[in-house]
Amino acid sequence: GENVEQHPSTLSVQEGDSAVIKCTYSDSASNYFPWYKQELGKRPQLIIDIRSNVGEKKDQRIAVTLNKTAKHFSLHITETQPEDSAVYFCAATPWAGGTSYGKLTFGQGTILTVHP
Amino acid sequence: EAEVAQSPRYKITEKSQAVAFWCDPISGHATLYWYRQILGQGPELLVQFQDESVVDDSQLPKDRFSAERLKGVDSTLKIQPAELGDSAMYLCASSFGPMTEAFFGQGTRLTVV
Repeated sequence: GENVEQHPSTLSVQEGDSAVIKCTYSDSASNYFPWYKQELGKRPQLIIDIRSNVGEKKDQRIAVTLNKTAKHFSLHITETQPEDSAVYFCAATPWAGGTSYGKLTFGQGTILTVHP
Repeated sequence: EAEVAQSPRYKITEKSQAVAFWCDPISGHATLYWYRQILGQGPELLVQFQDESVVDDSQLPKDRFSAERLKGVDSTLKIQPAELGDSAMYLCASSFGPMTEAFFGQGTRLTVV
């Protein structure tokens, strides 16, 4: 089955700096890669996702890059703000199309702390 | 805005007792997931439904856990008997299908004493 490794486990930055979180996956059939943000005591919420036919996707201060050859993808947050402090999870799912059903596998999470 | 509903929010039970969690997905979502999240770790998939059918339960401890989604809408996850190691957050999520956003419920925090 799919295995998703996420690094670093904790990340501390100063407000205004950039933050980068990296994930690797094992199943070359994986083709959908979402990123979730989970604030303390709250449910995980999708912040950005990317499909395998795209190498990069950007949404305001957040971007995700995908390298299918190396089987890794990364989350980039620019101009970090204290409200970006949370746990971030990457995930991957393989889907062969048709009636197959992709299992959504999560990484272990990165605790991001943005200091004012 | 539509949300995934879960109940109860918190549950304390004694070991060896039975416990059940309920999830009502967003209307129209065919895929329903049950995840277990231990503090400090990522969600671990226990079972995935497509409509009323189980499509993945490879990580479900079937000797004590069971899940059903009888009419392809709401779902119940049961643990019997509960063990101390089952203490965790149980998250339900739903999506339209593969490669689409999974929406999570607030979760049920289970404490087994």
